[in-house]
Parts: sequence; C-alpha cells; structure tokens
Amino acid sequence: GAVVSQHPSRVICKSGTSVKIECRSLDFQATTMFWYRQFPKQSLMLMATSNEGSKATYEQGVEKDKFLINHASLTLSTLTVTSAHPEDSSFYICSAIPLNRGQGETQYFGPGTRLLVL
Amino acid sequence: SQQGEEDPQALSIQEGENATMNCSYKTSINNLQWYRQNSGRGLVHLILIRSNEREKHSGRLRVTLDTSKKSSSLLITASRAADTASYFCATDVFRGAQKLVFGQGTRLTINP
Repeated sequence: GAVVSQHPSRVICKSGTSVKIECRSLDFQATTMFWYRQFPKQSLMLMATSNEGSKATYEQGVEKDKFLINHASLTLSTLTVTSAHPEDSSFYICSAIPLNRGQGETQYFGPGTRLLVL
Repeated sequence: SQQGEEDPQALSIQEGENATMNCSYKTSINNLQWYRQNSGRGLVHLILIRSNEREKHSGRLRVTLDTSKKSSSLLITASRAADTASYFCATDVFRGAQKLVFGQGTRLTINP
C-alpha cells in the first residue's frame, strides 16, 4: 500500500527558532499534499494544501509567513514553522494524494510529527 | 470550520460488545471516510463510502450513510481491546480540491 513518512517524528526546540518538517510519499508520486495540525484530544484542522510546483493554499486563519510550505518534488513537501512559540506546540500530520488518483479517493496519512516549543 | 460532529464524544464498552459511533455533517459531500487514530499516532484509513452508497462492510466494520439526514454511522462488532482508539469521520466536500474536513472524533475505550 501507499506509504507516507514524516521526519522528524518528534522535535523539541527553543522559542524563536525555526523547525522544518518533511513529508515524503515513499512509493508513489503526489502532486497534492495536505498539512494538518492537531491539538491534544482535538480533531485535525487543515492548515494548507501543498501543490507541487506552485504556491501552497492556506486555510483561513493560518499565517502563510509563519508556516512556510515548499512542495519541490512529486514526493516531498516540507512545512517550516518559523520563529516558533510555545503555542505552536502541536501534532502536525501530512497526507498525500497519489498522482492520477480518482476524485475523492483516499488520502494517505503520515505518522505525524510532534512539535514541542519550549 | 469543522464540518462534522460526532457522537458520542467518548464511549466505553466491554470487550465483545458492539460499538456504534455517529457522524453528522452540514453540506453536500462526495464521500465520507472513517479513520482510526491510536493515541499520539497517525491516522489509519478504515473505510470510504461514496455519496451514492448507503452501506458498506469491511471485516468487523459496518458503515452506513444517510445523505437525506446528512449522517453516517460506524459500527464495530465484537469489539476487542485493540480497537481502543479515537475514531474520526471525514467528509470530502470540495469538488476538485479533495480536501477533507474532519469531525471532532469519538474516543472509544474497550475494557477487557
């Protein structure tokens, strides 16, 4: 089956630093990847849609300068949390849609990255 | 904004019993999906039901969809301790964008 990986799985950083999270589709190509964040005991909230070769589309209320997304290839999207603050501590999950997949077919989710900002 | 509302928010049952979780949504959908998430982990896709389908089975899982009521249910039969997890419904509402909107989730605990 289709596998999506994320790196790192968990990261602790100091307030004010930037953190990059990678999302890779291991055995398929994906023109579209999604980034979600999830606070403890809450649901997933879509942050942005990452499109290969073009700018990401951000959901309302998500600061694009705060959460930089780069989808440089068909197998890799990165999310950089810039100038991280404690309130950015969360579980970040990506998902990917295989190239040439039909409309509305399953997205494949990564295992998530837990970010803790001290 | 969240599209789906799930109930109950938490459910605790004995091993061997059936567990039923419900999901309601507000707008028209292409399909509805159910996912499982173990604590602190990623999502595992369970089942997808299209808007023109009414019921779907996969092993011990049974999903129903009532588009007139904008609701879906997930039934897990003969529950096991390993079924303990959070369960989320997600709706694919945006034609072409394939974005998923998740419900609030149900935390299911199976007591041995």
